Amino acid sequence: QKEVEQNSGPLSVPEGAIASLNCTYSDRGSQSFFWYRQYSGKSPELIMSIYSNGDKEDGRFTAQLNKASQYVSLLIRDSQPSDSATYLCAVQGNMLTFGGGTRLMVKP
Amino acid sequence: EPEVTQTPSHQVTQMGQEVILRCVPISNHLYFYWYRQILGQKVEFLVSFYNNEISEKSEIFDDQFSVERPDGSNFTLKIRSTKLEDSAMYFCASSEQGDRYEQYFGPGTRLTVT
Repeated sequence: QKEVEQNSGPLSVPEGAIASLNCTYSDRGSQSFFWYRQYSGKSPELIMSIYSNGDKEDGRFTAQLNKASQYVSLLIRDSQPSDSATYLCAVQGNMLTFGGGTRLMVKP
Repeated sequence: EPEVTQTPSHQVTQMGQEVILRCVPISNHLYFYWYRQILGQKVEFLVSFYNNEISEKSEIFDDQFSVERPDGSNFTLKIRSTKLEDSAMYFCASSEQGDRYEQYFGPGTRLTVT
């Protein structure tokens, strides 16, 4: 069974702080890694994709991948109340497998 | 910006009835997917579809499920005989470049089986 694990949270950070979200996966053959944001009652919205070891930055978001440790993370700088949502880690092997998500709460 | 669309937004059906959920993928995308999310649970892969064929399916996608691309724009998921446990959000997604690459999700259809 290929697993993607995330701390369910909630992770509470003050406005303007850095939020750090983590994900581990079991399938060493995984090739592609994604972060989605899901507001309550809505569909997953793609935020970041990362395919190789290291960091990838896009605006306030940085994704980090360490294949040796089977670990993916997402950093959100200058967190805003509108970032409050559930963040889903998704890993592509032969199918896209989602973690259960981390609920982020950004307090004004 | 192009989006995946899904209809209906909410479908209520009785146990044992057939339902068809419809999706219009992003127009230049060739790879299509269905996922479901039971309330409070993970998003789960059901099936992937490319070149008019199923390319991958999960254990959830049993004989009661089928997919079809009936024309050049629509992609459908049929559930032949619905069960109470089929109640969930069903998301369609599409990708331009394939399974390894970004997938974009539609707004979902909430299926309620009574």
